[in-house]
Amino acid sequence: TQLLEQSPQFLSIQEGENLTVYCNSSSVFSSLQWYRQEPGEGPVLLVTVVTGGEVKKLKRLTFQFGDARKDSSLHITAAQPGDTGLYLCAGAKGGSYIPTFGRGTSLIVHP
Amino acid sequence: ETGVTQTPRHLVMGMTNKKSLKCEQHLGHNAMYWYKQSAKKPLELMFVYSLEERVENNSVPSRFSPECPNSSHLFLHLHTLQPEDSALYLCASSPTLVGRPSTDTQYFGPGTRLTVL
Repeated sequence: TQLLEQSPQFLSIQEGENLTVYCNSSSVFSSLQWYRQEPGEGPVLLVTVVTGGEVKKLKRLTFQFGDARKDSSLHITAAQPGDTGLYLCAGAKGGSYIPTFGRGTSLIVHP
Repeated sequence: ETGVTQTPRHLVMGMTNKKSLKCEQHLGHNAMYWYKQSAKKPLELMFVYSLEERVENNSVPSRFSPECPNSSHLFLHLHTLQPEDSALYLCASSPTLVGRPSTDTQYFGPGTRLTVL
């Protein structure tokens, strides 16, 4: 069974601060997705990374896929209250059609 | 995002009731999924359908019964549930089965918040 460990589990910060959350595994994934889920809603896809070492930017969010395709990080610059939510990573392994989800990082950004 | 819709959004039922959750996707996708999301647990995959055929039943109790009449609709029929079945039930769809890098994208509905009394 593939396991994706996300850290930290909870994060409470002030508006304007920077933060990084991590998604780690001992398994190699063909791709990895990051989702944000707001209370009472389903997860919304933010990005998919496929190539080892790949870096993608989405406004103030920077996503990186590890060189070995076993881990990923999400960095948020100058966090805003609208960034509040549960950040989930999910990995898909080549040959398997079932993605594995991490437990998520719950982020609260205070105004 | 209105690509995947779920009804009802909230459901309270007793342990002897029978109810159904509905999911509809307007994205032209061929694969659909049911997930269970409980507090402090990772998303748990329950069922996977591809072109209306069930391809995965992830050791789900028989009190949960899925139905996929066509590639746009997915149902989850519930009967004699237990209080521990209370959770957010999420439906998702993808162009084809997730696992190929070019199509490793799932789109989720807003979920049905289920409470079993």
